[in-house]
Amino acid sequence: KAGVTQTPRYLIKTRGQQVTLSCSPISGHRSVSWYQQTPGQGLQFLFEYFSETQRNKGNFPGRFSGRQFSNSRSEMNVSTLELGDSALYLCASSFGDGDRYGYTFGSGTRLTVV
Amino acid sequence: QQQVKQSPQSLIVQKGGISIINCAYENTAFDYFPWYQQFPGKGPALLIAIRPDVSEKKEGRFTISFNKSAKQFSLHIMDSQPGDSATYFCAALGGSNYKLTFGKGTLLTVNP
Repeated sequence: KAGVTQTPRYLIKTRGQQVTLSCSPISGHRSVSWYQQTPGQGLQFLFEYFSETQRNKGNFPGRFSGRQFSNSRSEMNVSTLELGDSALYLCASSFGDGDRYGYTFGSGTRLTVV
Repeated sequence: QQQVKQSPQSLIVQKGGISIINCAYENTAFDYFPWYQQFPGKGPALLIAIRPDVSEKKEGRFTISFNKSAKQFSLHIMDSQPGDSATYFCAALGGSNYKLTFGKGTLLTVNP
């Protein structure tokens, strides 16, 4: 059974650029959540999508956005990158209803902003 | 406001010893409390989880103890092994949202 796949694994971007990260959930999972992990702030929730609809959003600026496609794959976009956006971005998938507790994480995308 | 507080930040244990990590939460709407294990370069992996209707759950060498009145829960790793060396996160979920609220993590080192 394939796990949660995140691409790319590593990215280096320049301040001011934008970036798009991709997440393919486990087959059958309809919920995809995104988290930012940094040494200082730990794991922080960005947003969660279920059946192409954003159900919940964390306390991040509008530069952070996401979407989910009909096949449950999700993308997140960060515009006008800042140095502080350097982090490990993690995606987690689950069935999203009924068994909403089974969150499986991908290995993440390591974003470095220079 | 940190809704899930985790301690200690780091922990060193000898092989065969017991590792204990503690968490406290504030939001009484939380109804699911998982523990995640993370190795360098990997995403967090679910280790064990508990709901507030039970006080203890054991899976192999890993046990969660839950104290609803104190709003605290802890992870006990029995017979700790060097392969258990990793960062451990407690988390909580519940209410009307679908997000995991994480503790800051504990870096566990098990010396051989």
